[in-house]
Amino acid sequence: KQEVTQIPAALSVPEGENLVLNCSFTDSAIYNLQWFRQDPGKGLTSLLLIQSSQREQTSGRLNASLDKSSGRSTLYIAASQPGDSATYLCAGQGGADGLTFGKGTHLIIQP
Amino acid sequence: DTAVSQTPKYLVTQMGNDKSIKCEQNLGHDTMYWYKQDSKKFLKIMFSYNNKELIINETVPNRFSPKSPDKAHLNLHINSLELGDSAVYFCASSPGRGGYGYTFGSGTRLTVV
Repeated sequence: KQEVTQIPAALSVPEGENLVLNCSFTDSAIYNLQWFRQDPGKGLTSLLLIQSSQREQTSGRLNASLDKSSGRSTLYIAASQPGDSATYLCAGQGGADGLTFGKGTHLIIQP
Repeated sequence: DTAVSQTPKYLVTQMGNDKSIKCEQNLGHDTMYWYKQDSKKFLKIMFSYNNKELIINETVPNRFSPKSPDKAHLNLHINSLELGDSAVYFCASSPGRGGYGYTFGSGTRLTVV
């Protein structure tokens, strides 16, 4: 069964820094890999989706990569801002099995 | 507004009660899901319906029963509530079973006392 691990569990950095969030998964037969953002008391917002045939996706200051062979994905956030503070969740989609989530990285950007 | 909407947003109830959470999506999606986020913030899938047909039923106590009257609605009924059922329950939808284009509701915080 798919297991998703996210490192670090928490991260606090000054505003303006570039940062990388890591995600690893055990079953390389994923359909796609998705990154979400969760703000306190809110639902999840989809950030980026990487299909199994792709290696990366970009949206604004966010770039996500996928290496199926090593079972890893990274989310790169450039020029971080206080508004980026949230919990970031990585999730693997295994066909029609629904998403398997990691436990998230709680990110704080210090003004 | 196009969205996935859940009601109620908060639910406080006593042990042993039966309660329902409703979910509706107006995105025209074929697939709907229930996810549970526990006290440690870990999100796990509970159920998935595709065009009113149950396609995922994870290891969930049979006190939990999903019902999909049509593809725009997926309700969750919970019988004989227990303290351990306290969590945030998220409804979500996607255009198809492949998981593309997930949209999540804002969650229902269930507290069992």
